[in-house]
Amino acid sequence: GQNIDQPTEMTATEGAIVQINCTYQTSGFNGLFWYQQHAGEAPTFLSYNVLDGLEEKGRFSSFLSRSKGYSYLLLKELQMKDSASYLCAVMDSNYQLIWGAGTKLIIKP
Amino acid sequence: GAVVSQHPSRVICKSGTSVKIECRSLDFQATTMFWYRQFPKQSLMLMATSNEGSKATYEQGVEKDKFLINHASLTLSTLTVTSAHPEDSSFYICSATTGTEPYEQYFGPGTRLTVT
Repeated sequence: GQNIDQPTEMTATEGAIVQINCTYQTSGFNGLFWYQQHAGEAPTFLSYNVLDGLEEKGRFSSFLSRSKGYSYLLLKELQMKDSASYLCAVMDSNYQLIWGAGTKLIIKP
Repeated sequence: GAVVSQHPSRVICKSGTSVKIECRSLDFQATTMFWYRQFPKQSLMLMATSNEGSKATYEQGVEKDKFLINHASLTLSTLTVTSAHPEDSSFYICSATTGTEPYEQYFGPGTRLTVT
């Protein structure tokens, strides 16, 4: 079966760095997405990785290792507004998105 | 660019009535649209995938006759919840893709449905 695993909840301090991991087992691979979702709102796109390596976009970076079925989202200089759920999703061979359950990130002052 | 709108944002209806939710891609043509529902503190659950001009593909366990999906044009898809019941109360979110790589899904703002 297809499976996406990510921690249920993480806590970090304002100004610090946090890494959210995602491991996956899917039927084929056509890219991995990270989305941010604030409570009561729809997800917003953060990043896309299809090749191995690190993609940096401002305070957010995303890493992919296809051989390990592993990705992480790195958030630097954390701000209170970063408190949200972070969803990892993998596009399988049918170009269907397989979603993880999301990681709720709590930022403390 | 790549803006998706959804209407209404909130709706309250009585049990037994039907509710229609619209999803529009405002500045691009969406070859494929997706409908999700999300329960509190849970991840997105894909309900169906719709391609313009063809019948929607429903996920296992989703009742086709209860959740009617129409993708009438490249910019509009509708979800109609028929004979709604309180257990249908949920957050419904649509997304759309252009059909070109990287096939990113652009999400609408969601519709909060409450059935009383």
